[in-house]
Amino acid sequence: ILNVEQSPQSLHVQEGDSTNFTCSFPSSNFYALHWYRWETAKSPEALFVMTLNGDEKKKGRISATLNTKEGYSYLYIKGSQPEDSATYLCAFLWRGSTLGRLYFGRGTQLTVWP
Amino acid sequence: NAGVTQTPKFQVLKTGQSMTLQCAQDMNHEYMSWYRQDPGMGLRLIHYSVGAGITDQGEVPNGYNVSRSTTEDFPLRLLSAAPSQTSVYFCASSQRQGSYEQYFGPGTRLTVT
Repeated sequence: ILNVEQSPQSLHVQEGDSTNFTCSFPSSNFYALHWYRWETAKSPEALFVMTLNGDEKKKGRISATLNTKEGYSYLYIKGSQPEDSATYLCAFLWRGSTLGRLYFGRGTQLTVWP
Repeated sequence: NAGVTQTPKFQVLKTGQSMTLQCAQDMNHEYMSWYRQDPGMGLRLIHYSVGAGITDQGEVPNGYNVSRSTTEDFPLRLLSAAPSQTSVYFCASSQRQGSYEQYFGPGTRLTVT
């Protein structure tokens, strides 16, 4: 089983704060890195899929960067709002996986206080 | 498109009963998978499939069977339910694996007493 680590496990910030969290994954045989947003009582929804070292993706106030050589990705939220409160999951696809299985981290739970 | 649909939404089983959780997608996706969500454990992969007739085990396959006879459907069978299988189950699909995002169904909340 490949290890995908996310930190911190949980985060509490005030409305308007900017925040970031980390996803760490094995740096060898990288294929793709996914980020998902998961609101309570809903299903996970895709934010980004990143495949190239140095990739930067942006969607509104949320952005992500990827470093495949050192095995990490950062997710940034600028000016957090209460509606950003969710669990943010990353998932790693290893090139050595013959059937393309995704390995999920346990997530970072973000709470934004008004 | 309905996307990924799951039935039932809720189910209560007694220990030892069997049942099938249904999952269907109408996006012609090749890849489908089943996850379970338990507190503090995130999403854990049960079984997955890369196309009709091809399935493989994930991280926690014991006690579950799958088959994929059509592109659209990927049912998950609980052979003899145990309290440890109390969980929320999510089905997901993607166009192919790798650089394609996964679409998740609404989930099935299963309680085994």
